[in-house]
This record gives sequence, structure tokens and C-alpha cells, in this order.
Amino acid sequence: GAVVSQHPSRVICKSGTSVKIECRSLDFQATTMFWYRQFPKQSLMLMATSNEGSKATYEQGVEKDKFLINHASLTLSTLTVTSAHPEDSSFYICSTGTHNEQFFGPGTRLTVL
Amino acid sequence: AQTVTQSQPEMSVQEAETVTLSCTYDTSESDYYLFWYKQPPSRQMILVIRQEAYKQQNATENRFSVNFQKAAKSFSLKISDSQLGDAAMYFCAYRETSGSRLTFGEGTQLTVNP
Repeated sequence: GAVVSQHPSRVICKSGTSVKIECRSLDFQATTMFWYRQFPKQSLMLMATSNEGSKATYEQGVEKDKFLINHASLTLSTLTVTSAHPEDSSFYICSTGTHNEQFFGPGTRLTVL
Repeated sequence: AQTVTQSQPEMSVQEAETVTLSCTYDTSESDYYLFWYKQPPSRQMILVIRQEAYKQQNATENRFSVNFQKAAKSFSLKISDSQLGDAAMYFCAYRETSGSRLTFGEGTQLTVNP
């Protein structure tokens, strides 16, 4: 299957700063990427769907101005958490794939102090 | 909207025994995909097994098999000859045929006892 990488794997930042998470599809043309958020011992919650060359579609309740998504190429989508606060601390996962298989990145653990 | 429900937050099994994880879903679609994913402590999501709704035959992958009951909207996962490495969080997921977004259940934490 396709390989999806995320960078960084872990990040600790101060409250009020912005953090960028990269999701790269190494051997698959990712026209669509999905961004999920996962709190401890909970399920993956879809935050937004990013489409190459166009604006992302956000799920209800997700602030698009706080979680900025850019999908400028078929291999890279980025999620920027702006003005991060402790409640944004979570595990963020991206995925891409076909209609019958999704390939997930290894995730990024964000801790906001 | 589609929903996926896993009613067992936690399950445990003895090594070498068999365990069944439950999943139900709700949809008005006639064709769709169902998945079981495994998330070990590393947090990497791993596809365990996939079922296409139009196929009546239950999917099987080595020690993993499903019991797909379309009319009942039930999709359970059976793990045979459980191994210590099977210990993980298991998520049931649904996807429409026309789309690619997944809807996940709440997850079942599986413990395998030696």
C-alpha cells in the first residue's frame, strides 16, 4: 500500500503559538487528504477534507480559521494549528487513499503548554 | 447520516482463544464498504479486513474473519487463535461507495492475556 508520512511526530509548543503539521504521500497521488483528531482512548474524529488545489471542507464545529489546511500539491497537505491552546493538545492523523482503502500517517502528538 | 456503533469498550481474551468484536451501523445506502482497523500502542492505523456490501461472502484474512449481516446492519470481527500482538484498539469503519471519507465507531480495546 501507499506510504504516508507525517512531520513532526511529536511537538510541544507554548500557548498562543502556531504549529504546522505536514502530511506527505510518498508514492500515491493524493488528490484528497483527510485530517483527523484523536483524544486519548477515543475514536478518530474527522476534522476536514483537503482537496489538492482547492479549499478544504471542514466538519461541523471545526474552526477553519484556527485549523488552516493547505493542499498545494498531490504529495503534501499541511495542517496549521493557529494560536494553539492547551485544549488543542491531541493526536492528529492524516490519511489518503482510494475508495476501498485508506492509508494513514503515523500521527502527530501535539502538546500545548 | 451514517453512524457506526461499537458497544464493547473493552474486551479480553486468552492467548490462543477466539474473540468476537461487535459492530453495528446505520445507513440508507445499499452499497458501501465496511472495515476493521487495528490501532496498536504505536497509534499507527492498520487495516485488518475489508468487506464490500454487495458481496454476500464474508471476508477472511488468515486468523481474522467477519460475520456480515446486511439486513441486520451488523459487522462483527472474529479473531481466532489470538496472539499477544493482537492486543490493540480495534475500530469498525464505514464508507459509502461513492465517497472516500470514513466514519469510525468508538473503538474496542482488546487485551490478550498470556
